Amino acid sequence: EAEVAQSPRYKITEKSQAVAFWCDPISGHATLYWYRQILGQGPELLVQFQDESVVDDSQLPKDRFSAERLKGVDSTLKIQPAELGDSAMYLCASSFAQGQGALAEAFFGQGTRLTVV
Amino acid sequence: AQSVSQHNHHVILSEAASLELGCNYSYGGTVNLFWYVQYPGQHLQLLLKYFSGDPLVKGIKGFEAEFIKSKFSFNLRKPSVQWSDTAEYFCAVEGGSQGNLIFGKGTKLSVKP
Repeated sequence: EAEVAQSPRYKITEKSQAVAFWCDPISGHATLYWYRQILGQGPELLVQFQDESVVDDSQLPKDRFSAERLKGVDSTLKIQPAELGDSAMYLCASSFAQGQGALAEAFFGQGTRLTVV
Repeated sequence: AQSVSQHNHHVILSEAASLELGCNYSYGGTVNLFWYVQYPGQHLQLLLKYFSGDPLVKGIKGFEAEFIKSKFSFNLRKPSVQWSDTAEYFCAVEGGSQGNLIFGKGTKLSVKP
């Protein structure tokens, strides 16, 4: 069964260091999402891509976070510099949907658990 | 802006009890509605979804949800829970021109054997 791949599964980093996460969506899925899930809360959307274009990054803290999906396939989320409050699970999801109403659900990866010390 | 409210933070039930988890959303346009489940140590999985048609939708593992447009609600139900249903449940709404998928804060369900 096809699945969304994320790496690493776990990452411990010191504050002020740079950290990057990688996501490989399900083949053929045009839409890719990055979410942050703080313990005890629901996933919060950070950025949404449609192919290689960002369609929504309104909740992305752009002073320290960046995301790219250069070829419209896999994606990288970077934090520089990391802060203690960035400790969370970072989830990647992909969908066949091409915008609202395209009748498709998102499939999630296992996530990357980031701990900033 | 869209938002999703899940009213119960933690629900504790005994096996065979009936379950209803509340979900309300705020968005005036057409929406797609989802319930996702996250079992301990596992990734989010789709439980069921509503796009259009019959407002009562059936999902996996005996779960169902009813879309009530006038109440902006999409409550999740199961007539008889099992210990294996212990998990966290997230309601999600997809709406807007960009198809943003917005989640509620989740409800943790603990089922006592």
